[in-house]
Amino acid sequence: AAGVIQSPRHLIKEKRETATLKCYPISRHDTVYWYQQGPGQDPQFLISFYEKMQSDKGSIPDRFSAQQFSDYHSELNMSSLELGDSALYFCASSLDGRFGYTFGSGTRLTVV
Amino acid sequence: QQQVKQSPQSLIVQKGGISIINCAYENTAFDYFPWYQQFPGKGPALLIAIRPDVSEKKEGRFTISFNKSAKQFSLHIMDSQPGDSATYFCAAIDGSARQLTFGSGTQLTVLP
Repeated sequence: AAGVIQSPRHLIKEKRETATLKCYPISRHDTVYWYQQGPGQDPQFLISFYEKMQSDKGSIPDRFSAQQFSDYHSELNMSSLELGDSALYFCASSLDGRFGYTFGSGTRLTVV
Repeated sequence: QQQVKQSPQSLIVQKGGISIINCAYENTAFDYFPWYQQFPGKGPALLIAIRPDVSEKKEGRFTISFNKSAKQFSLHIMDSQPGDSATYFCAAIDGSARQLTFGSGTQLTVLP
C-alpha cells in the first residue's frame, strides 16, 4: 500500500521567496500533520487538520499557512522565506489521530 | 518544556549488545506510545507501539516496557546490529486531542 507521499523531495529557494509543499496522506486517513525538523533536532509540530478543518496549531510562524483539500491532500505554504526556515518538513497522516502516525519521506527545504 | 523526556541523547553499543532507551512523561492524557526510527534524510518510521494498559510488548528484537504508575517507558533492542544505527524517538499520543509529542531523540551507534 502506498504510504504518505510528499512533494517535492528537495527544494531550494532564495530569501523572501515563497514555497509550497504538498502532502498526500494514506487512503482513508482523515488527519494530516506537518512537522519541521532542523538538523539534530526532534520534529517540531507545526499544524494539523482533521476532516479538512484545522485541528491544532503548534509553533507555526505567521508567514506559513496550510490547508487540507477535499481529497484530503494538504499543502503547506511558506512565504517571505528566511534562512532559518531551512529544514526537513515532514507530513504525517493517521486515522482519527489515535494511533501510530505514518510519516512521509519529507521535503528538504534549503533557503539561500 | 519537553513533555516527553528521553535519554540518553546518544548511545554506543557493540554488535550483539542490548540497546536501552528510556522515556518519561507527565501528561496523563497520553494514551498511545509509539517509537520511531529515523535514518538521516528520511522520515521517522514507526517501529513499535504500546498502549498504557499493557506492561510489555515484543516484536522481534524490539521490546517496549511500560510502567504506567511511574509514567515511564523504554525501548530495548536485543542483539543490536550495525543496521540499527539510527536516531530513535519515543513519542506519546493524546488521542482525544489528536496530538503526538516527540521525545528529543537518541542517536544510536552500533559498532561492528
